[in-house]
Amino acid sequence: AQKITQTQPGMFVQEKEAVTLDCTYDTSDQSYGLFWYKQPSSGEMIFLIYQGSYDEQNATEGRYSLNFQKARKSANLVISASQLGDSAMYFCAISRYNNNDMRFGAGTRLTVKP
Amino acid sequence: NAGVTQTPKFQVLKTGQSMTLQCAQDMNHEYMSWYRQDPGMGLRLIHYSVGAGITDQGEVPNGYNVSRSTTEDFPLRLLSAAPSQTSVYFCASSYSTGSYNSPLHFGNGTRLTVT
Repeated sequence: AQKITQTQPGMFVQEKEAVTLDCTYDTSDQSYGLFWYKQPSSGEMIFLIYQGSYDEQNATEGRYSLNFQKARKSANLVISASQLGDSAMYFCAISRYNNNDMRFGAGTRLTVKP
Repeated sequence: NAGVTQTPKFQVLKTGQSMTLQCAQDMNHEYMSWYRQDPGMGLRLIHYSVGAGITDQGEVPNGYNVSRSTTEDFPLRLLSAAPSQTSVYFCASSYSTGSYNSPLHFGNGTRLTVT
């Protein structure tokens, strides 16, 4: 079975600074996808960024980038120039090739300080 | 475009009661799933479906039933509610079951309390 581990229950960052949210995973699959989702206090789940296991370049989406280290089985999310609106829960997730089973980590609560 | 619609938003049940959480999507997505979210545990997969007429169990299926008679709808049934089923429930869908790069689109959740 696949497993996601997020070791940081909570993180604080100063506005305009960069922050890295950790994610490690365990899978025996050769092909898989890694995702990050944001959950603001309003409760909805928002897709942020995706990285495929065979993608050689790290994914980027605006201020979000994914630091993918396949050998270490890590997929850390980097948020540059933090904004107050970035305060939220962040979940890392892994999907199997046929996407039948997406597993999530326990999440990291990010608080951006003004 | 409505996306994934869940009803109701809130529900309070007494132990032993049954109910159905509704989920509908209008994006013609093949894949649909139900998750529950509990504090400190992230989202855990309850059941999923890769198409009409096909369902399968996830991590925590006990106490829940699903069916998928149409592409659009994927209801979740609680047969006999227990306090341990107090949680926030999310329905999600994605375009393809044949790849691993389709992100999940989530509904807004149903907050269920069982007393």
